[in-house]
Amino acid sequence: EVQLLDSGGGLVQPGGSLRLSCVGSGLTFVNYAMSWVRQAPGEGLEWVSGISGRGDNTRYADSVKGRFTISRDNSKNTLYLQMNNLRAEDTAVYYCGKGRTAYGDYVFDYWGQGTLVTVSS
Amino acid sequence: DIQMTQSPSSLSASVGDRVTITCRASQDISNSLAWYQQKPGKAPKLLLYVASRLESGVPSRFSGSGSGTDYTLTISSLQPEDFATYLCQQYYRIPTTFGQGTRLEIK
Repeated sequence: EVQLLDSGGGLVQPGGSLRLSCVGSGLTFVNYAMSWVRQAPGEGLEWVSGISGRGDNTRYADSVKGRFTISRDNSKNTLYLQMNNLRAEDTAVYYCGKGRTAYGDYVFDYWGQGTLVTVSS
Repeated sequence: DIQMTQSPSSLSASVGDRVTITCRASQDISNSLAWYQQKPGKAPKLLLYVASRLESGVPSRFSGSGSGTDYTLTISSLQPEDFATYLCQQYYRIPTTFGQGTRLEIK
């Protein structure tokens, strides 16, 4: 059974940094594109960033470009999101999502349980 | 970015009812549309993609249709476990974008 486990969220001050992780099990991790999707309290879903299966193609939402970096370590079945220069508007539950194929796939058939990031002084 | 607009934003219905939720894209998305179900405090669950293709394990009472800019999700006979929020998503263009959600409540 495919499982994704998000972690790394917490309380951080504006301008601070956090690194989120998503560990996959029950799948051949390199075969699937992955993304981060966030949901602010009481709001809808916002795609944040995506990465191809081999990690050679990355994409970002304009709202995080230049501040967030997505990466993956396929030897550890782990997806990362390095978040720098955090702002109050980055406060949200962050989910990792698995695409159905290795490239350019933004239909998410499995999701992590979510990790809460709160940016506040 | 492609804007996705769902209607209604909320809906009250009873067990056994047939319900339809609509999603409109701001431009033609060529059936690159997915539907998700989300319950409070949980991650979304994929129901359908390519507008009408049922994800494995999803009950057949869920169906999707549409083309161009207009799409619908239909639940043929509501079950107690179906009361949740439903979201559409276009993946025709990056950034992929989601509708604001339709909250389905028990009447």
